[in-house]
Amino acid sequence: GIQVEQSPPDLILQEGANSTLRCNFSDSVNNLQWFHQNPWGQLINLFYIPSGTKQNGRLSATTVATERYSLLYISSSQTTDSGVYFCAVDGTYKYIFGTGTRLKVLA
Amino acid sequence: DGGITQSPKYLFRKEGQNVTLSCEQNLNHDAMYWYRQDPGQGLRLIYYSQIVNDFQKGDIAEGYSVSREKKESFPLTVTSAQKNPTAFYLCASRRGGGYTFGSGTRLTVV
Repeated sequence: GIQVEQSPPDLILQEGANSTLRCNFSDSVNNLQWFHQNPWGQLINLFYIPSGTKQNGRLSATTVATERYSLLYISSSQTTDSGVYFCAVDGTYKYIFGTGTRLKVLA
Repeated sequence: DGGITQSPKYLFRKEGQNVTLSCEQNLNHDAMYWYRQDPGQGLRLIYYSQIVNDFQKGDIAEGYSVSREKKESFPLTVTSAQKNPTAFYLCASRRGGGYTFGSGTRLTVV
């Protein structure tokens, strides 16, 4: 099956810093989504981005499907950005999740 | 507003008991999914359903059962055969594009 790898596994930032999270996948996918899991466990949809680039405020994402990777950019990080960021890809009927990047933003 | 409702938020189960987790959606989505998350880990697929009255096993279906009698509802039963049920359970739905997740149920065996 499709393998999804995320890097880095852990990231600590000072408030205001920028960061890039990466998601590599091993095969062609139809869909790709980035989620933020907050401290209460809720998975918040950030981007549905099977290809191309999207931006939403301080966050943006780029997926290069032909090279099988996606990047999530966080600019001017805030303490509320802390949590776990998951990339999920869909080969056929189900999503396969990466193991996540655990981000902690320090005040 | 449309969304997915999971209940209860917290559930405690005694050894040998079956418990049922509720998942209801009003998004008119065809597909629904159950995932399990263990502490510090990613999500693993338990069961999924593409249409009413049909469902498929995911990667870790042993010890779990589901039903899909209505489009809006996809309950998950954790049976006594599941030896390590303590985890966070997330339900999701989808129609075409991206997934929408509920807020989850934390199940603890006492």
